[in-house]
Amino acid sequence: DTAVSQTPKYLVTQMGNDKSIKCEQNLGHDTMYWYKQDSKKFLKIMFSYNNKELIINETVPNRFSPKSPDKAHLNLHINSLELGDSAVYFCASSYGLAGDEQFFGPGTRLTVL
Amino acid sequence: AQTVTQSQPEMSVQEAETVTLSCTYDTSESDYYLFWYKQPPSRQMILVIRQEAYKQQNATENRFSVNFQKAAKSFSLKISDSQLGDAAMYFCAYRSPGTQGGSEKLVFGKGTKLTVNP
Repeated sequence: DTAVSQTPKYLVTQMGNDKSIKCEQNLGHDTMYWYKQDSKKFLKIMFSYNNKELIINETVPNRFSPKSPDKAHLNLHINSLELGDSAVYFCASSYGLAGDEQFFGPGTRLTVL
Repeated sequence: AQTVTQSQPEMSVQEAETVTLSCTYDTSESDYYLFWYKQPPSRQMILVIRQEAYKQQNATENRFSVNFQKAAKSFSLKISDSQLGDAAMYFCAYRSPGTQGGSEKLVFGKGTKLTVNP
């Protein structure tokens, strides 16, 4: 069984479109995260949720809107896609405890044309 | 804000040899956690090893060990008996303990690309 899954794994779309990436974890974790990995492989936190509550919002443009319908799911919706949004987006989850390992999903490669 | 620096963009090692990847970090906190993650070409992020700052003993996981120097804010990863499957990007990461669940974000370095030569 996959611990943290993301759909889709690849997403190619035109500038200006709206798209969503879904994330699900079956580890029973309370906390979920979105990270962005740019073309130079740099990874940066975007959002975190704990028990469906937004905790971290790391100066991300408001075109990005995370939604957590329940503890096991954290989706990322992106409006009016721009070329600079092209990246790999990783979902991760953990128990939210100090020192706890964050488990990562396989990533979604978003390409904006 | 915490920062993590990996000064070696690329490293190479011969199969069966030992290689050390460097990482330094900047923080004013006394309690924190440090991690090394591996990202092979498959893109999957895999935890290699973890170190709690309050522990003086260096963490080890089979062929992987760290040299944690708290005063120097240094956290290097040593890979012994390198194998072809070790070829990947390696990321050093810092994490504060956080004040509530969800606040303990990972701050990553820019990564080191490790090549293992047969």
